Amino acid sequence: RKEVEQDPGPFNVPEGATVAFNCTYSNSASQSFFWYRQDCRKEPKLLMSVYSSGNEDGRFTAQLNRASQYISLLIRDSKLSDSATYLCVVFSGGSNYKLTFGKGTLLTVNP
Amino acid sequence: GAVVSQHPSWVICKSGTSVKIECRSLDFQATTMFWYRQFPKKSLMLMATSNEGSKATYEQGVEKDKFLINHASLTLSTLTVTSAHPEDSSFYICSASLGQGAGNSPLHFGNGTRLTVT
Repeated sequence: RKEVEQDPGPFNVPEGATVAFNCTYSNSASQSFFWYRQDCRKEPKLLMSVYSSGNEDGRFTAQLNRASQYISLLIRDSKLSDSATYLCVVFSGGSNYKLTFGKGTLLTVNP
Repeated sequence: GAVVSQHPSWVICKSGTSVKIECRSLDFQATTMFWYRQFPKKSLMLMATSNEGSKATYEQGVEKDKFLINHASLTLSTLTVTSAHPEDSSFYICSASLGQGAGNSPLHFGNGTRLTVT
């Protein structure tokens, strides 16, 4: 099983659609979870952290299920500017301190 | 907010030459820096973790003698691609952390360096 696995995509949705991204991770000891977005040929930028209780930031909702080792990101009322690659990122601390990125899922929002 | 500056943004070099990429944390001290590589349409892959004042920890499959990392100060880490070959052409990104053990991610990325080896 890959350390961090995401929906392969790509996703093509019309403006205003709701789109969900899913991610699973293999290391049960992982400590922190994040969603990043990466525009073409640019560095990743933090979109939001993912908390155990679930969290929302405007049109974006992130959820974590530690028992299932599953993370999700929901985008409501998608905009053209949401078009990007969305990366699921898992942080492992301790002696294996590192961030592990999923392969990313490309989202294209169409007018 | 915290900023990580990476330089150069892009570089074209001839096969066999060495290229140095700098990563600086501009307004915070980065005890840990990460170096990633990203090939087109692929995920970011961690190459190595660099801790100030100690040797870098390389991921499996990454040649430490080819990708030299120096983290001599709390604000600067460098990655040197030695004897570059066309297959080393990639997008290299650094990320700086405020510290480990706190459960926080290294949230701050450099803007990346696009290396093309001809």
